Amino acid sequence: DAKTTQPNSMESNEEEPVHLPCNHSTISGTDYIHWYRQLPSQGPEYVIHGLTSNVNNRMASLAIAEDRKSSTLILHRATLRDAAVYYCILRDVGTGFQKLVFGTGTRLLVSP
Amino acid sequence: NAGVTQTPKFRVLKTGQSMTLLCAQDMNHEYMYWYRQDPGMGLRLIHYSVGEGTTAKGEVPDGYNVSRLKKQNFLLGLESAAPSQTSVYFCASSYGTRTTHNEQFFGPGTRLTVL
Repeated sequence: DAKTTQPNSMESNEEEPVHLPCNHSTISGTDYIHWYRQLPSQGPEYVIHGLTSNVNNRMASLAIAEDRKSSTLILHRATLRDAAVYYCILRDVGTGFQKLVFGTGTRLLVSP
Repeated sequence: NAGVTQTPKFRVLKTGQSMTLLCAQDMNHEYMYWYRQDPGMGLRLIHYSVGEGTTAKGEVPDGYNVSRLKKQNFLLGLESAAPSQTSVYFCASSYGTRTTHNEQFFGPGTRLTVL
């Protein structure tokens, strides 16, 4: 499985944008970039995913570098509820069973 | 819809005791998964199932057994609990088709302590 590298933690103020980086220099052509987040004392939840183009949904935006070796999850206006651990995961949909491999993620702290 | 539910929410066992964790989903998902999460770490896949009656080993299967007798249920068994199995256990489910998305839906977790 291709690996991802994320900062251990980041801090933000409420209502400010947050950019969470992820490096994946060994990404393959069939790897999709997925982001999940885990709120305190809860199971993870899906946030967004993409392959090459930037993606937007109601929760966040995903900006993918042209060479696909890095990506950034963008929360446009952080709220206290966005305080969570964010996981950047590569998922190969080329062949076989597509498991999710969770690293340690980035812990986002949001201050009022 | 209840989504993914797990029973029990908390449990304390003594070394050597056995127990079964129950996961249920009402989304008609084909795939189901069991993960464990140790403090400060990400989730690790224990076992998974790609359909009723089928199971397969994940990353850390030793000491656990699973069964998927009904599509909506996935059971995780500990035959002889050990302190190293103290962890938070998460169940998840997803659609079975090979898609680019295949979002996994997670349950609230079971906190297990083995003394």
